[in-house]
Amino acid sequence: GDSVTQMEGPVTLSEEAFLTINCTYTATGYPSLFWYVQYPGEGLQLLLKATKADDKGSNKGFEATYRKETTSFHLEKGSVQVSDSAVYFCALRDWDGLTFGKGTHLIIQP
Amino acid sequence: NAGVTQTPKFQVLKTGQSMTLQCAQDMNHNSMYWYRQDPGMGLRLIYYSASEGTTDKGEVPNGYNVSRLNKREFSLRLESAAPSQTSVYFCASSESSRSSNQPQHFGDGTRLSIL
Repeated sequence: GDSVTQMEGPVTLSEEAFLTINCTYTATGYPSLFWYVQYPGEGLQLLLKATKADDKGSNKGFEATYRKETTSFHLEKGSVQVSDSAVYFCALRDWDGLTFGKGTHLIIQP
Repeated sequence: NAGVTQTPKFQVLKTGQSMTLQCAQDMNHNSMYWYRQDPGMGLRLIYYSASEGTTDKGEVPNGYNVSRLNKREFSLRLESAAPSQTSVYFCASSESSRSSNQPQHFGDGTRLSIL
């Protein structure tokens, strides 16, 4: 079946550091790919998405590119802020619903 | 904009008790979903409803039942709660389950503890 693998945290960075959170997937067909963010005590919010190979999703300074050849969708941000501290989930969409990775807890220190 | 609303936000039950988690969306979405979130496990799909009048099992349906009451509401029922069902439950909705590029919109979750 479909699966998503992402680096497990916690990942701790200093403010203004460069961020990469790796995500790879296994799926039949050509799924859409998503990054969701969960702030403490809240539900998941869509951060960005890409629906086909070579698409780049972007939002709030975050970017991710759908790489079909490496089955990856790595999340990047050039300069993180304390307010980016949250749990980030990579997910793929098949007909039934979303298949999630286990989540990466990101901690940004001032 | 309310989006997806879940009630209650917190609940503590004793083993064997029953309970229904409520979910309503005001975005006129066709599809609705129930997930559970456990530490180190990500989110796992319990049940989903592709459209009003239909429901289907997801990855972890055992111990749960669902009802798609109308287009807006999708409830999750625990008939006889077990400690293994202690989790955070999320309801989500999307325009359609038939189009895989549609994102899902999530509620804030129900934190359920079974003693």
